[in-house]
Amino acid sequence: QQQVKQSPQSLIVQKGGISIINCAYENTAFDYFPWYQQFPGKGPALLIAIRPDVSEKKEGRFTISFNKSAKQFSLHIMDSQPGDSATYFCAASRLQGGSEKLVFGKGTKLTVNP
Amino acid sequence: NAGVTQTPKFQVLKTGQSMTLQCAQDMNHEYMSWYRQDPGMGLRLIHYSVGAGITDQGEVPNGYNVSRSTTEDFPLRLLSAAPSQTSVYFCASRRTRGAYEQYFGPGTRLTVT
Repeated sequence: QQQVKQSPQSLIVQKGGISIINCAYENTAFDYFPWYQQFPGKGPALLIAIRPDVSEKKEGRFTISFNKSAKQFSLHIMDSQPGDSATYFCAASRLQGGSEKLVFGKGTKLTVNP
Repeated sequence: NAGVTQTPKFQVLKTGQSMTLQCAQDMNHEYMSWYRQDPGMGLRLIHYSVGAGITDQGEVPNGYNVSRSTTEDFPLRLLSAAPSQTSVYFCASRRTRGAYEQYFGPGTRLTVT
């Protein structure tokens, strides 16, 4: 059972465009939704995260939009740059309890063409 | 702080061989975990630990053993390597209270022939 579904699998965007990656989750107990960015040959690194008490969180060119009723959240990258080319993973977890596991989507490979 | 370190960076094994992937963190994090990353499969949890002496299975634990004798170290053992264990392995750590950011190591690329 895949608890977090991510789409698309790959995405090609022109420089300056908007990149949008979508995720859907099933477990309504999840209350922490991070996005991780991974460059080739490196480990994933936290990019931005949101709690379900807000509908949007913005950090620079990166924005998470969250729709609790639809159980969906998305990452928007504004003014996409070639340096944003990486694989992006959405994830979900519960914060209550120190042993809660982070469940990852399957990833989206983003390519930003110059 | 070095963060999360992993050794070796690359490893080639023959089927049936055993080996240990090392992971260490210097952030005094209680929670440590191992993931494997395969193309199109995302990150799948193998084993995790919430503190020294406590370990539990993740999504894909078969063929792997772990132990946690100290807060800093969390080695992953392959008992009898199989070609299906060819993958990139990532160790990660985080606190169990407060800030929830999970930190990943640089990964170990393992090939089993």
